[in-house]
Amino acid sequence: QVQLVQSGAEVKKPGASVKVSCKASGYSFTTYFYIHWVRQAPGKGLEWMGIISPSGGSTTYAPRLQGRVTMTRDTSTSTVYMELSSLTSEDTAVYYCARGGGSYANYWGQGTLVTVSS
Amino acid sequence: DIQMTQSPSSLSAVVGDRVTITCQASQDISNSLNWYQQKPGKAPKLLIYDASNLETGVPSRFSGSGSGTDFTFTISGLQPEDIATYYCQQYDNLLTFGGGTKVEIK
Repeated sequence: QVQLVQSGAEVKKPGASVKVSCKASGYSFTTYFYIHWVRQAPGKGLEWMGIISPSGGSTTYAPRLQGRVTMTRDTSTSTVYMELSSLTSEDTAVYYCARGGGSYANYWGQGTLVTVSS
Repeated sequence: DIQMTQSPSSLSAVVGDRVTITCQASQDISNSLNWYQQKPGKAPKLLIYDASNLETGVPSRFSGSGSGTDFTFTISGLQPEDIATYYCQQYDNLLTFGGGTKVEIK
């Protein structure tokens, strides 16, 4: 069965960077499907961050995060990474990876809480 | 950017009620809309894709309709397990989520 397992919770200081991993299993990593990253601040709604194609590594990022977010993949370990730099308290959120097509996400990771605090 | 406006932001209904949530796009998105359910502490779950198509395994009491800028999500017979927050999401230009509608039992 399709599974996405994310790395554990992180606590970072303002100005630092965080890198969250998402290990996929149960399907062929480099076939049709994409990996989205979506975040959710405490008590708030969902925010789409961007998408990566595991097969070719191409990425598209949400405009408001462009320049701060980088998504990469390692096909040898079927793992996708999301790195966010220049963290502020507004980046405190649960970060989800999710598999889907380019327009939807139907398999989700368990979420990774990133807390930004001095 | 395409903005998605959901209403209401929250609602309370009795078990068995018909519940309707609306989602309005800031521009014409054809039928490029999905609906998700998120239960507390859990990841979202895709319910409806392409505005009106039911994802495999999703109960038929959930439905979606609409095109252009105005969309509707309906639960025809609210069940206790439907307590959740529901989000619309457009994919006409990148992806954007609506603000969410929290559904509670009265």
